[in-house]
Amino acid sequence: DIQMTQSPSSLSASLGDRVTITCRASQDIGNYLTWFQQKPGKSPRRMIYGATNLEDGVPSRFSGSRSGSDYSLTISSLESEDVADYHCLQSIQYPLTFGSGTKLEIK
Amino acid sequence: QVQLQQSGAELVKPGSSVKISCKASGYTFTSYDMHWIKQQPGNGLEWIGWIYPGNGNTKYNQKFNGKATLTADKSSSTAYMQLSSLTSEDSAVYFCARGWFAYWGQGTLVTVSS
Repeated sequence: DIQMTQSPSSLSASLGDRVTITCRASQDIGNYLTWFQQKPGKSPRRMIYGATNLEDGVPSRFSGSRSGSDYSLTISSLESEDVADYHCLQSIQYPLTFGSGTKLEIK
Repeated sequence: QVQLQQSGAELVKPGSSVKISCKASGYTFTSYDMHWIKQQPGNGLEWIGWIYPGNGNTKYNQKFNGKATLTADKSSSTAYMQLSSLTSEDSAVYFCARGWFAYWGQGTLVTVSS
């Protein structure tokens, strides 16, 4: 199975900060990487697909990038509504596997 | 608009089975995979498998072989997941999500307790 190592597991940042969350894939997954945001008690929301494509309706402060086997989700300027858990998912090989998640809080 | 409406919370006894549903609307049900995902309290997400309602084809995470059974009813645009031989490890929120994960159900909480 492909392991998705997500870091950090938790993150506390100030409003307006630039925040980056990373997933490292144990095997080549190309651009088959999706990022989700999940607020407490809610279903996950797709934010980024194909590693770099912004979902319709997602604020432009969110972006996705890839460097080799490292995939990053960046929030350019943190807002209070961004407090949530974030998950990555690889969908190139079965079983599909998620990262362990990142809890993002406001400092 | 696309909507996935899941069935309500279940409290079930160890050793029993439960069947949860995911009713789709706003798109052609038979044209997209339906995935199922498990989330235990405070834990991450775990992919269980998918079903393609158009022909009933399924793909499972081997970890859930024998635990989860996915079916779909084209006439009612509803996907189902049956979980069997339940233990406390099966207590979780279960989500359905349409292919490519752009749309999710609201989740169904399954609690296994005597």
